[in-house]
Amino acid sequence: DTAVSQTPKYLVTQMGNDKSIKCEQNLGHDTMYWYKQDSKKFLKIMFSYNNKELIINETVPNRFSPKSPDKAHLNLHINSLELGDSAVYFCASSLLLGGATTEAFFGQGTRLTVV
Amino acid sequence: AQRVTQPEKLLSVFKGAPVELKCNYSYSGSPELFWYVQYSRQRLQLLLRHISRESIKGFTADLNKGETSFHLKKPFAQEEDSAMYYCAGGTSYGKLTFGQGTILTVHP
Repeated sequence: DTAVSQTPKYLVTQMGNDKSIKCEQNLGHDTMYWYKQDSKKFLKIMFSYNNKELIINETVPNRFSPKSPDKAHLNLHINSLELGDSAVYFCASSLLLGGATTEAFFGQGTRLTVV
Repeated sequence: AQRVTQPEKLLSVFKGAPVELKCNYSYSGSPELFWYVQYSRQRLQLLLRHISRESIKGFTADLNKGETSFHLKKPFAQEEDSAMYYCAGGTSYGKLTFGQGTILTVHP
């Protein structure tokens, strides 16, 4: 039983293309996140959704658009891909309890390579 | 702004030696601090959090508010401890701010 699953695991695409990464969690969590891990392994939050509502939107180019059709899914769509978008993207989920941070469960990551 | 710093990118020790992975934070108010670990070819997972004050896989971490530190320690390192370790601070809305990560290598 995979708790947080992302597809695809690997994605190689050309500059200028549009691509999507899907994420699903079966933990019953109410909050989902997208993190980006760059080539130096630095992890930084991009977006967060709580009960399908956007609650965190860090300084991310508007080519990146998250979509949450329901609490269990948070997809990431990227338009006009650039070389600098190459990274590993991690989806995560957690339960927000009175605004406190609980354990976040991560997906296995999607390695995006833009050529 | 919240900030978490891990000064060591790489840390190498021999099996059986003590290990300490450093983490310093800069937060307003009372931070929620965590250590996450990523073993080779596995997903990031929680190792421990300061609220629970527990020991996981022999690791402990104490929050030192005076030094604004949350160092991760283990008295006797094992080869299977080799991994990437991230210190992270939690804020409202569940946002995690990660340190730069420390790659721990335990040599036989």
